[in-house]
Order: sequence, then C-alpha cells, then structure tokens
Amino acid sequence: RKEVEQDPGPFNVPEGATVAFNCTYSNSASQSFFWYRQDCRKEPKLLMSVYSSGNEDGRFTAQLNRASQYISLLIRDSKLSDSATYLCVVNIQTGANNLFFGTGTRLTVIP
Amino acid sequence: NAGVTQTPKFQVLKTGQSMTLQCAQDMNHNSMYWYRQDPGMGLRLIYYSASEGTTDKGEVPNGYNVSRLNKREFSLRLESAAPSQTSVYFCASSITGVGYGYTFGSGTRLTVV
Repeated sequence: RKEVEQDPGPFNVPEGATVAFNCTYSNSASQSFFWYRQDCRKEPKLLMSVYSSGNEDGRFTAQLNRASQYISLLIRDSKLSDSATYLCVVNIQTGANNLFFGTGTRLTVIP
Repeated sequence: NAGVTQTPKFQVLKTGQSMTLQCAQDMNHNSMYWYRQDPGMGLRLIYYSASEGTTDKGEVPNGYNVSRLNKREFSLRLESAAPSQTSVYFCASSITGVGYGYTFGSGTRLTVV
C-alpha cells in the first residue's frame, strides 16, 4: 500500500539548475497537500502548502492536479542550501488533519 | 518561542525496559501527533490527539500508549521496549482542522538493544 509515492532520487544537480519533483497520491478524497523539507538528522519543516490553482514562493512553485492525483514541486536557480530531502505530504482521512508523509526525494545541489 | 519541545533527544534502552517520551508545545495548538521515522519507511503515525481529552490510534500503534496530559503536553510510552522500536520519534502539533501543516519537534533517537 502506497498512499503517497515519490521518486526517492537522489537528484544531483548543479547550482543554478531547475529541478522538479513529482508525487502521486492514492486517495481521491484527500483535501490538503504540502511539501516539507527535511535536512539530514533534523525534523521535517513545512516548505509550502499546495493549492489547486498552483502557488509560488520565491524560487519554489507547487502544483496540484486533482484529476491525476499528482503533486509537483519546481525549484528554480538551485542553491547549495536547497540540498535536503523533500517530502510530499497529503491528508488521507476525510475530515481529519492526519497527514501521510511520502518517503521523500533526496536532492543534492553540487557547486 | 520554543514551538514543539521533545525530551530526551537520545536514549538507549535494553529490551523489556520502559520509558516515556515527552512532548510539549507552546503554540496553543489543539492537535498533537506522534510519528516514527525509519529508513526507507518514511514517517508513520503512531497516535494522535485531535483535542485535549481525546487520543486515537494511527497506522502503527502496537507497543505504544499515549497520554494527553493537558493542551500543551502529549507523551508517548513504551511499556516493554523491543528492538523493532529502534527509530527516530517525532512529536508534532497543529491547529485542528483540515489544511493546516504540522510543526515538529527536533526528535528523539531511540535505540533498543
């Protein structure tokens, strides 16, 4: 059973590159979607929520396709500090805020 | 503003020993959660408390108990630790309701030998 599926990577990209991560989720009734960032041996931290209309926060753009049950994260002009694991997160219980975390996609930005 | 505080940060237990992981938040959140994270498995929900006075099982509750002591504090107890419970444990809190992200504590690294 895979509620949320992500390509584990690793993605190794040069500084300044654009990189995209994708994620699919299984529950068509899911209502909220997020991308979290987790640094090595640290706790996950909220990067951004994902809205149906798509949303942008600086160099980061998130998109949601409900019909295909697909979420994406685009990082433009990658920085060394973007190196981390990116977790796709979806609520799976209708009416409750229980979040299911994907296993993550590892990104390394190379100088 | 401390956010979510977990104690201890590290712990080594012998099989069969018991311990309680403590979690406290100062953000006035109603909902609190306990997750474990294992390599290749991602974060898995152990128990959650949607509001003070309520607790419910998550995906992997066996071997654990929880107590929502008050609005701020949510503890996780291992009554008889097993090597399979070696993991990193994260506590989180959120505003109650769909659409709110979680704030996590810094985690407890538990090894059961």
